[in-house]
Amino acid sequence: AQSVTQLGSHVSVSEGALVLLRCNYSSSVPPYLFWYVQYPNQGLQLLLKYTTGATLVKGINGFEAEFKKSETSFHLTKPSAHMSDAAEYFCAVNGGSQGNLIFGKGTKLSVKP
Amino acid sequence: GAGVSQTPSNKVTEKGKYVELRCDPISGHTALYWYRQSLGQGPEFLIYFQGTGAADDSGLPNDRFFAVRPEGSVSTLKIQRTERGDSAVYLCASSLQRGGGETQYFGPGTRLLVL
Repeated sequence: AQSVTQLGSHVSVSEGALVLLRCNYSSSVPPYLFWYVQYPNQGLQLLLKYTTGATLVKGINGFEAEFKKSETSFHLTKPSAHMSDAAEYFCAVNGGSQGNLIFGKGTKLSVKP
Repeated sequence: GAGVSQTPSNKVTEKGKYVELRCDPISGHTALYWYRQSLGQGPEFLIYFQGTGAADDSGLPNDRFFAVRPEGSVSTLKIQRTERGDSAVYLCASSLQRGGGETQYFGPGTRLLVL
């Protein structure tokens, strides 16, 4: 069975500061890992994903994440936060051939001016 | 091209009523998923279609919930005898094909409120 844990339901950073959103997963098979962002009253938008190959994955809007198998982690980072990054972020794992995603509970990111 | 669309965007109903929620996937996408997102939670898987058939309905909470995709494109999620606990945002997603690494594209959701 697969599961995802996102540490911190709410993270607040200042504009220009480093963004770090934590995600740990559990999977009995090699995982496929995803980060989605959800703006208020909108659907989820894919930020980035890890399937195979390079463990450092770059996504849209300057975000990146590193797959660390030994730590079962897939933390999301961005060097410098913008006001427009304020949203809710979801980490998800997919370990099965069927393809359904298993999501964490989400982390709401606030950016202070 | 057009993304995943869902109608209605909002639905208010009374306890005990029947509701239908519609999803139009991206053209050419063979896989279609339904998720439910309760307040303060991440989306939870309900059912998955590959083509016209429900390949995995293990996430449906009970037999009041049913979904169809008769022509392999549009899907309808049907909820009978609605309960207040069914209030949530229902999300639909589609992907080009099934498979763990495939990107799922989400619609904006239908916000269901059961009074």
